[in-house]
Amino acid sequence: QKEVEQDPGPLSVPEGAIVSLNCTYSNSAFQYFMWYRQYSRKGPELLMYTYSSGNKEDGRFTAQVDKSSKYISLFIRDSQPSDSATYLCYSGGSYIPTFGRGTSLIVHP
Amino acid sequence: DSGVTQTPKHLITATGQRVTLRCSPRSGDLSVYWYQQSLDQGLQFLIQYYNGEERAKGNILERFSAQQFPDLHSELNLSSLELGDSALYFCASSVGTGAPQETQYFGPGTRLLVL
Repeated sequence: QKEVEQDPGPLSVPEGAIVSLNCTYSNSAFQYFMWYRQYSRKGPELLMYTYSSGNKEDGRFTAQVDKSSKYISLFIRDSQPSDSATYLCYSGGSYIPTFGRGTSLIVHP
Repeated sequence: DSGVTQTPKHLITATGQRVTLRCSPRSGDLSVYWYQQSLDQGLQFLIQYYNGEERAKGNILERFSAQQFPDLHSELNLSSLELGDSALYFCASSVGTGAPQETQYFGPGTRLLVL
């Protein structure tokens, strides 16, 4: 079992939909959680980070962490075609970075 | 543009060969990370260097090696290549020691195809 599990998708939604992307992790030592976005043929880039349980909002994006159930979520409101990308969750607690496999999101007009 | 550069962008080679991938971190960043990304395995951490010293090691095969030079650029050497080594190889950099809360800045990747 991988330390960070993420459904690879693809997830296809219409423009304007609310998108929910999720990860689970198994290591209780993980304290830092991030979401990276990767466009096709590009390197990942940091989208959001959070260090504690609860919600963190940035524009149309909300990151949510539930440490009790070891569950990480990213919500995208009013999704746009430009949001079409692969979203990778990251969990960290040591010097070994751990990423999920990434979920491919397709937002169609 | 993240400021991290990788060369070459594409590499096609044959099984059994050896290749070297090169990475220049963002100006001021002291840590360099190497990752392998494939469709079935996702983004796999290989190795991390901080200011020239190996800091953390992940799922790096013995056929692979890396180093970080005094000017902080890094090279990843892949030898005795196999078909299964075909993947995207990313380099990332961060400003500090590689602590888990540090943001990593990724390069554009090197696409390796082993025939």
